[in-house]
Parts: sequence; structure tokens; C-alpha cells
Amino acid sequence: GDSVTQMEGPVTLSEEAFLTINCTYTATGYPSLFWYVQYPGEGLQLLLKATKADDKGSNKGFEATYRKETTSFHLEKGSVQVSDSAVYFCALAQNTGNQFYFGTGTSLTVIP
Amino acid sequence: DAEITQSPRHKITETGRQVTLACHQTWNHNNMFWYRQDLGHGLRLIHYSYGVQDTNKGEVSDGYSVSRSNTEDLPLTLESAASSQTSVYFCASSEKFYNEQFFGPGTRLTVL
Repeated sequence: GDSVTQMEGPVTLSEEAFLTINCTYTATGYPSLFWYVQYPGEGLQLLLKATKADDKGSNKGFEATYRKETTSFHLEKGSVQVSDSAVYFCALAQNTGNQFYFGTGTSLTVIP
Repeated sequence: DAEITQSPRHKITETGRQVTLACHQTWNHNNMFWYRQDLGHGLRLIHYSYGVQDTNKGEVSDGYSVSRSNTEDLPLTLESAASSQTSVYFCASSEKFYNEQFFGPGTRLTVL
């Protein structure tokens, strides 16, 4: 069945460091892919999305490219800030099915 | 602005009591979801609904029920609360099943 696998956390970075959080997926067809962010004490918020191969989603300095050949959707940011400290979830949805799959989440802490 | 709200935000109850968590959305979305979030498990789907009078079980539905009498609301009921149901509960909605989901702020439930 369809699934999403995220890199294990927690991740700790210094401010202004480069961030990569890996996400790979298993799915038939052409799913839509998403990154969500959860700040402490809050619900999940959509960070970015991509709906077809080679699409790049971007928001707030974060980027992710839908790579069908490697079944990946890695999240990147060139220079993280303390305010980026949160839990990040990769997710997948099929337009031919009725399931929405979340990864287990990766906790990021950015230290000054 | 459209939103999704949950109440109460915090609830403490005793084992064996019936508890209902409210979820209300003003997006006019047909699809609504209930998840629980526990450390080490990420998000797990409890129940979901495609529209009025429709409800479906998710992967961890035992001990929970939902009803959908209108578009805006999907209350989650714990028939007889157990300590294993201590968790943070999130409600979400989406326009189409494969579109992004919009999340509420969550309800932290403690069962003593």
C-alpha cells in the first residue's frame, strides 16, 4: 500500500545552517505531496505542496521538489531561524483513492 | 476568514465516563477527519466523513464514534474513556480527499 517515510529526528541545527529533511514515498500513480509544519501547542499547517512530478513547492524560504524517479520530496531551507523550530510532517494523497498518508514527523530545533 | 475550531482545548476526565469532543469548520468542506497524536506514533486516523450522514472507520477507531448531521460539525465521542485514550486529538477538513487538509488547534485529553 501507499506510505511515506521520513528521516528520524530529532534534528538540531545552529541558526543560519542549511536544512534538509528527507521524505520518500511508496505509491502507485501520481500522488500529490505535502509538507506540514506543527509549532508547539498548535495544529498542523500546510507549508507547501506539489501535485505532479518535477513541481517545486515553496513557502517561507522552504522548498521541496517532487522527484518521481527517486520517489522523494525532501524539504530544504538555505538558512534556518530559531522560529523554524517545529515538527515537520511529510504527507501523500491519491486523487484516485480515499486515503491521506502522513509520515511520523521530524522534530527540528534551531539554536541561536 | 474560514476556520476550523475545536472545543474544549483541554479536558480531564475519569475512566469510564463518556466524553465528546467538538469540531466545527466554516470552510464548507465535505470531508472531515479525526486524528490522535501520540509521541512515537505520529498522527493516526480515527474516523473520517465524506459528507452528511457518512462516517468511516480509520486505523484506530475502537472505542470512538462520530456522527455527521450537518456539513460544519463532526463530534467525536469516547463511549467509555480509557487511560489509553489520553492523547492530543486533531480535527481536520478538506475540499476534496486528495487536497490539503486544514487542521484545528487540537484538544488535549487526559483520562485518569
